Amino acid sequence: QKEVEQDPGPLSVPEGAIVSLNCTYSNSAFQYFMWYRQYSRKGPELLMYTYSSGNKEDGRFTAQVDKSSKYISLFIRDSQPSDSATYLCAMKTSGSARQLTFGSGTQLTVLP
Amino acid sequence: EAGVTQFPSHSVIEKGQTVTLRCDPISGHDNLYWYRRVMGKEIKFLLHFVKESKQDESGMPNNRFLAERTGGTYSTLKVQPAELEDSGVYFCASSQLAGADTQYFGPGTRLTVL
Repeated sequence: QKEVEQDPGPLSVPEGAIVSLNCTYSNSAFQYFMWYRQYSRKGPELLMYTYSSGNKEDGRFTAQVDKSSKYISLFIRDSQPSDSATYLCAMKTSGSARQLTFGSGTQLTVLP
Repeated sequence: EAGVTQFPSHSVIEKGQTVTLRCDPISGHDNLYWYRRVMGKEIKFLLHFVKESKQDESGMPNNRFLAERTGGTYSTLKVQPAELEDSGVYFCASSQLAGADTQYFGPGTRLTVL
């Protein structure tokens, strides 16, 4: 069983839609949660970084963490064609190991 | 400020050959990480340097892979001899020693082993 599960999609939505991206995890030691955005042939770009249960908002993006359910989400409001990319969830523990554990990524297309 | 840079962007080699990938982290970042993504799989951790020291190499697949970071600046990842299953995209990331350890990724090197 993978430590982090992410629906690979692909997900296609019309411009202006609200997008919901989700990951579940099995390792209760994960304490820090990230969402990265990756455009084609580019490296992952950090979007959101959270370390506690609850919501964190940054512009059109909201990250939600529910540690009791081992479930994290990224919501994109008023989606734009420029949001078309692969979205990766990533997590790490609070110990000395700093490696990130990634989900497989969800490919999102926002249609104009 | 320049981001993480990687060279080459793409490498095509034959099975049994040697390839060396290079990563230049963001200036001042003491933490340097290597990850890779093989076809159809998620990005996986390979190893972590703090300055010139290997802090964690638990993700290195076997002894055909050798990573170095002489002087605590740029890093190289050598694959010798390359096998077909080594094909994938190799990412480098860097972060500051203190703080939240936000990892910034480079564009990756796409390695194809024929």
